[in-house]
Amino acid sequence: GDSVTQTEGQVALSEEDFLTIHCNYSASGYPTLFWYVQYPGEGPQLLFRASRDKEKGSSRGFEATYDKGTTSFHLRKASVQESDSAVYYCALSGDTGYQNFYFGKGTSLTVIP
Amino acid sequence: EAAVTQSPRNKVAVTGGKVTLSCNQTNNHNNMYWYRQDTGHGLRLIHYSYGAGSTEKGDIPDGYKASRPSQENFSLILELATPSQTSVYFCASGDYDNQDTQYFGPGTRLLVL
Repeated sequence: GDSVTQTEGQVALSEEDFLTIHCNYSASGYPTLFWYVQYPGEGPQLLFRASRDKEKGSSRGFEATYDKGTTSFHLRKASVQESDSAVYYCALSGDTGYQNFYFGKGTSLTVIP
Repeated sequence: EAAVTQSPRNKVAVTGGKVTLSCNQTNNHNNMYWYRQDTGHGLRLIHYSYGAGSTEKGDIPDGYKASRPSQENFSLILELATPSQTSVYFCASGDYDNQDTQYFGPGTRLLVL
């Protein structure tokens, strides 16, 4: 079945560091890929999504590029801030039928000022 | 004007008691979901619905029932609450016409004593 794998469970960085959170997926066809962010005490909120190979999603300085060849959608940000501390979820929505939405296990990012 | 709201936001229940968690959405989405979130497990799908009158089992439905009386409302019911159901519960609505992008409520923190 379809699945999403996030390699990092926890990441700790200093302000202005470069961020990469790895996301790989397994799905047939062309799923839509998402990044969600969850701040403490809140529900997850959509950061951005991408639906086609080589499409770049971006928001708030974060970006990720849909790569069907490597089945990846890695999240990157050039310079993190303390306010970016949150949990980040990669997710996919399959292109075959209903209820085909899968979340990764999440990556907790802590940015140290 | 939050589009997905949950009530209550916090709940303390006793073992063996009945608990009902409520969710309301104003997105006019057909799909709605209930997840629980626990450390180390990320978001796990309990029940979902395609529309009024429909409920479907997710990945971890045991011990939970769901009810979707209308397009806007989706409830999660714990008939006999147990301490293992202590968790944070999130409701989401999904836009099937937009790759099922999900929009989350703020969560309900449930403690079963």
